[in-house]
Amino acid sequence: DVKVTQSSRYLVKRTGEKVFLECVQDMDHENMFWYRQDPGLGLRLIYFSYDVKMKEKGDIPEGYSVSREKKERFSLILESASTNQTSMYLCASSSVGQGHTDTQYFGPGTRLTVL
Amino acid sequence: SQQGEEDPQALSIQEGENATMNCSYKTSINNLQWYRQNSGRGLVHLILIRSNEREKHSGRLRVTLDTSKKSSSLLITASRAADTASYFCATSPYQGGKLIFGQGTELSVKP
Repeated sequence: DVKVTQSSRYLVKRTGEKVFLECVQDMDHENMFWYRQDPGLGLRLIYFSYDVKMKEKGDIPEGYSVSREKKERFSLILESASTNQTSMYLCASSSVGQGHTDTQYFGPGTRLTVL
Repeated sequence: SQQGEEDPQALSIQEGENATMNCSYKTSINNLQWYRQNSGRGLVHLILIRSNEREKHSGRLRVTLDTSKKSSSLLITASRAADTASYFCATSPYQGGKLIFGQGTELSVKP
């Protein structure tokens, strides 16, 4: 079974802090994604990566950056956390190529509160 | 950008009843997927239907796809209290790309 893990289930940070959210997948997937989920807004894509050191902006990249130095790890960075970044953050991965679909496998989520 | 729109936003039924959720989308797709999310957890993939398929079954799940109407439905038969969750449709515009998620249907199954 594919396993996607996220470094924290719950996180509380203060405004202005630098925040790192880590995501690791164990299935050698090429694609990795970071979403945020807010009530009434569904899942919104922040950034995704289709290969090591490659990244593309999603729908709401402002205030975030990402890092993918190894295939299995995709990090989301909040350079200076703000209260409007309080949200549930979900990481996902998927494989590409023949025989694969775009099925995404999700981690358990990190609920971030910025005070 | 949100492509999938689910209907209804919330659904409450009794155990044993069938639950039907609908999804509409705007652009052409390679496939459409349904996911489930238990409260406070990540999403779990349920079923995928390709653009050239019209119906697919998996256990108590039945998915239909009408590409002419750009819509899909998810039917859960003989629902159980454990089916209580949010259900999302997601469309894939092309192979190997991103998914575009709808806002979800919140299903409550009362024992």
